[in-house]
Amino acid sequence: AQSVTQLDSHVSVSEGTPVLLRCNYSSSYSPSLFWYVQHPNKGLQLLLKYTSAATLVKGINGFEAEFKKSETSFHLTKPSAHMSDAAEYFCVVTRLNTNAGKSTFGDGTTLTVKP
Amino acid sequence: GAVVSQHPSRVICKSGTSVKIECRSLDFQATTMFWYRQFPKKSLMLMATSNEGSKATYEQGVEKDKFLINHASLTLSTLTVTSAHPEDSSFYICSAIFGTEGNQPQHFGDGTRLSIL
Repeated sequence: AQSVTQLDSHVSVSEGTPVLLRCNYSSSYSPSLFWYVQHPNKGLQLLLKYTSAATLVKGINGFEAEFKKSETSFHLTKPSAHMSDAAEYFCVVTRLNTNAGKSTFGDGTTLTVKP
Repeated sequence: GAVVSQHPSRVICKSGTSVKIECRSLDFQATTMFWYRQFPKKSLMLMATSNEGSKATYEQGVEKDKFLINHASLTLSTLTVTSAHPEDSSFYICSAIFGTEGNQPQHFGDGTRLSIL
């Protein structure tokens, strides 16, 4: 069994300030973890993924996330927010090395960036 | 990067009409394709998983006769909403993966906004 909890449904930051989007997971197996971004009326775009290699993962557009097994967390960060970062963000967990499980999506976090 | 094309992007039609949505992986052969439904301000709800040449696996509560999925090739899956009604209005998104689901990210289409009048 697996689940994902995105701790904040809305996050608002000012342009140029750091971004932190929080994600906790639970999994009975070794997890793969992903962060996706969705702009209005669009599909999801992969930001980064963790699949058991380095625990600090760097993604596109300056985002990164750190896998912390002891805290069962995979928080997404960016040092300096840009207006174009305003979007919906989804944390996703699935089971590593298998097609047996399905991906579990978090409920999403809406990021607002103020000028 | 991997590209998934989904068409049409928007459909407006009358109640009782059947609507077909196509999902194509343009530059890779998709091991598996997924169909999701997304309600406003909500996360994605998995409807079904399809593998080329075999019957789709539907999630609990999803009517297979209502939402027909055909996965005719490694690059094309279609979702047909049969006899659509206003309650079927939603944003439908497909995704595709190459390789093992657990190791590979999903590549998403841009979605189809379906509005039934």
